Amino acid sequence: QKEVEQNSGPLSVPEGAIASLNCTYSDRGSQSFFWYRQYSGKSPELIMFIYSNGDKEDGRFTAQLNKASQYVSLLIRDSQPSDSATYLCAVGSQAGTALIFGKGTTLSVSS
Amino acid sequence: SAVISQKPSRDICQRGTSLTIQCQVDSQVTMMFWYRQQPGQSLTLIATANQGSEATYESGFVIDKFPISRPNLTFSTLTVSNMSPEDSSIYLCSVPPGDRGTDTQYFGPGTRLTVL
Repeated sequence: QKEVEQNSGPLSVPEGAIASLNCTYSDRGSQSFFWYRQYSGKSPELIMFIYSNGDKEDGRFTAQLNKASQYVSLLIRDSQPSDSATYLCAVGSQAGTALIFGKGTTLSVSS
Repeated sequence: SAVISQKPSRDICQRGTSLTIQCQVDSQVTMMFWYRQQPGQSLTLIATANQGSEATYESGFVIDKFPISRPNLTFSTLTVSNMSPEDSSIYLCSVPPGDRGTDTQYFGPGTRLTVL
């Protein structure tokens, strides 16, 4: 059974701080890794994807991947109240395939 | 960026009836996915719909309960058959994420189903 694990939270950070979200996965054959953000009552929106070990930065977001440890993380710098949402980690066996989702981590950014 | 639409956006149905959900993508895609998100839960894959072939169902989901059509590369339907209150969920269609970037929509807006 392929699994993706996340802490459910809530993770609470003050405005301007760095939020760190973590995810582990069970399938060593996983090739693609994604972070989605989901606001309450809305469908998920893709915010980051990473395929290779290391860091990938996009604006205030940095995704980190360590395949040896089967670990993916998302850092959000200068957190804003608008970042308050549930963050879903998703893992795919190869590009273009369906994803296995974690249960999500709820982030709350206080002003 | 791709646009994915779903109809209906929500519905309230009686036990024992069926509902067909439509998903339209504004560009051709080989694979489309159907997910279910139960209240307070994450997304669970129901099936993968490929054009021109039978859908592939995940463990715990069967064709008789969730028949899927995929008549062309931009459209798919999911039917929830013989509904029970346990089928109350949000149903989402999706296309594979990837190199088109994060400004592309990969999930439809969802269909919120309530079964009484």
